Amino acid sequence: EAQVTQNPRYLITVTGKKLTVTCSQNMNHEYMSWYRQDPGLGLRQIYYSMNVEVTDKGDVPEGYKVSRKEKRNFPLILESPSPNQTSLYFCASSLLDEQFFGPGTRLTVL
Amino acid sequence: GENVEQHPSTLSVQEGDSAVIKCTYSDSASNYFPWYKQELGKRPQLIIDIRSNVGEKKDQRIAVTLNKTAKHFSLHITETQPEDSAVYFCAATQPNTGNQFYFGTGTSLTVIP
Repeated sequence: EAQVTQNPRYLITVTGKKLTVTCSQNMNHEYMSWYRQDPGLGLRQIYYSMNVEVTDKGDVPEGYKVSRKEKRNFPLILESPSPNQTSLYFCASSLLDEQFFGPGTRLTVL
Repeated sequence: GENVEQHPSTLSVQEGDSAVIKCTYSDSASNYFPWYKQELGKRPQLIIDIRSNVGEKKDQRIAVTLNKTAKHFSLHITETQPEDSAVYFCAATQPNTGNQFYFGTGTSLTVIP
């Protein structure tokens, strides 16, 4: 089944404790992105990647890192999470324009 | 960068009526405009899209119109049904940006049976 998976789906952590949210797609898509969704703000792109080892900042990259060492994986790294990074995070992949979203990761930073 | 504004933020309609959601964008270089539907607790899913070389596109009860001169595009849902209740997002992107998308802030549509 063609899909985008994210792990974990829910995470509660504390300020400053490094964490990684994994994203994987099995559709051989070139493009992958990370978004955060906050009430009243819609979806905001954090980082996107056009291919292996090619990544670029989106609208709200501060406090986040990404890597694209393999085509199928695009992990999101929060080196020192802060409470303002409490949000719903979506990974997405696309071959051309249509984006396929993962199920989301709800992150709470205390 | 691009700025996408979406209105209204909430919309309630009676079942069977039409619903219209509008978006404006700021960068005339934007050329692809998708609409995503997000049901409660679910992921966004593409429902329709339009490119800048087309003025209108229809898919059953859903249509999108684009006015490049005015830099706005709209989603039209006819004969609304309760299952149309969801949050709808518009977005815009430009060519050769490697998939950089700009989303609107969303419209929460409620269809009242």
